[in-house]
Order: sequence, then C-alpha cells, then structure tokens
Amino acid sequence: GNSVTQMEGPVTLSEEAFLTINCTYTATGYPSLFWYVQYPGEGLQLLLKATKADDKGSNKGFEATYRKETTSFHLEKGSVQVSDSAVYFCALTDNQGGKLIFGQGTELSVKP
Amino acid sequence: EAGVAQSPRYKIIEKRQSVAFWCNPISGHATLYWYQQILGQGPKLLIQFQNNGVVDDSQLPKDRFSAERLKGVDSTLKIQPAKLEDSAVYLCASSLDRAQGAREQYFGPGTRLTVT
Repeated sequence: GNSVTQMEGPVTLSEEAFLTINCTYTATGYPSLFWYVQYPGEGLQLLLKATKADDKGSNKGFEATYRKETTSFHLEKGSVQVSDSAVYFCALTDNQGGKLIFGQGTELSVKP
Repeated sequence: EAGVAQSPRYKIIEKRQSVAFWCNPISGHATLYWYQQILGQGPKLLIQFQNNGVVDDSQLPKDRFSAERLKGVDSTLKIQPAKLEDSAVYLCASSLDRAQGAREQYFGPGTRLTVT
C-alpha cells in the first residue's frame, strides 16, 4: 500500500541555518505530494504541494521538488526563523479524491 | 470565509465512557474527513464522507466508533466505549469535492481526547 517515510526528529537549528527534512514515499500510480505544518496549539495547514513529477512547490521560503526517480519530496528552506518552529508532515494522496497518507512528522525547533 | 469548526476542543473521559465530537465543514464543501492523530504520529483517516454517504471507512474500528453526516453538512464522530488507546487528537477536514480533496483539504483545530 501507499506510505510516507520522514526523517525522524526533533531537529534543532539556529536561526538563519539551512533546513532539509527528508521525505520518501511508496505509491502506485502518480500521487500528489504535500507538506503540512502544525504550529504549537494550532491545526494542520497546507504549506506546499506538487501534483506531478518535477513540479516544485514553494511557499513562505520553503521549497520541495517532486522527484519520481527517487520517490522523494524533501523540504528545504535556505534560512529558518524562530517562527518556523513547528511539526512538519509529508503526505500524499492517490488523486482519486481519497485520504491523505501522512508521514510520522518531524518536529523543528529553531533557536535564536 | 469561516474555516472548519470543531467542538469540543478538549475532552477528558474515563475508559468505557462514551464521547462525541462535532464538526462543521466549510460552507459548500461536499467531502468531509475524520482523522485520528495519536501523539508522535501522523494523522490517519478514520472515515470519509461524500455528502451524506460513506466513501471510505476501512480504518474505522466499527465495534466502538461510529460517524454520521445525516444532512450532508455537519458530522458527528462517536466512541462507545472508549479505551485508553483512543487518546488522540481527532481532526476534521473538508474539501469542495473529492477531486479538490486530492489537491487540498482544509483542517479544523482538532479535538484532543484524553482517556484515563
């Protein structure tokens, strides 16, 4: 079945450091890929998405590229801020309008 | 535009008791999802509705969990009787339709359930 694997956290970085959170997936067909973010005490928010191979999703300085050859969708940001501290979830859907399948989440803590 | 509303935000019950959660999706959204998020894990789909019909309930523990969306708008998720392992955050999400759901789902703030 479809699945998502994320790098384990927590990840602790200093402000302005470079961020990479690895995400790989297993899926049949051509899934859509997502990064969701959950700030402390808040609900899940869509951060970015990509719906086909080689697409790059971007938002708020974050980027991720849909790599079908490596079945990956790694999240990157060139310079993190304290306000980026949150839990980040990689996810996919099967494009049939069905469920989101999430990774286990990666907690990011950015120190001033 | 109002977002997905859920209540209550927090609930503490003893094992074997019953509990119900309510969700009101974004106006006009035909597809509604309930997810369970256990601490330290990603959310897992429990049930998906299209209007008032069930699309997917394959991971719903039907011996204790039930859900309904009678008028195709708001929805209720019930647990009866609760077990300790049901402690989790229950998230409701909605999308305009199933096609949009493959591109974006909008999440509510969740209900945090603690079973003691």
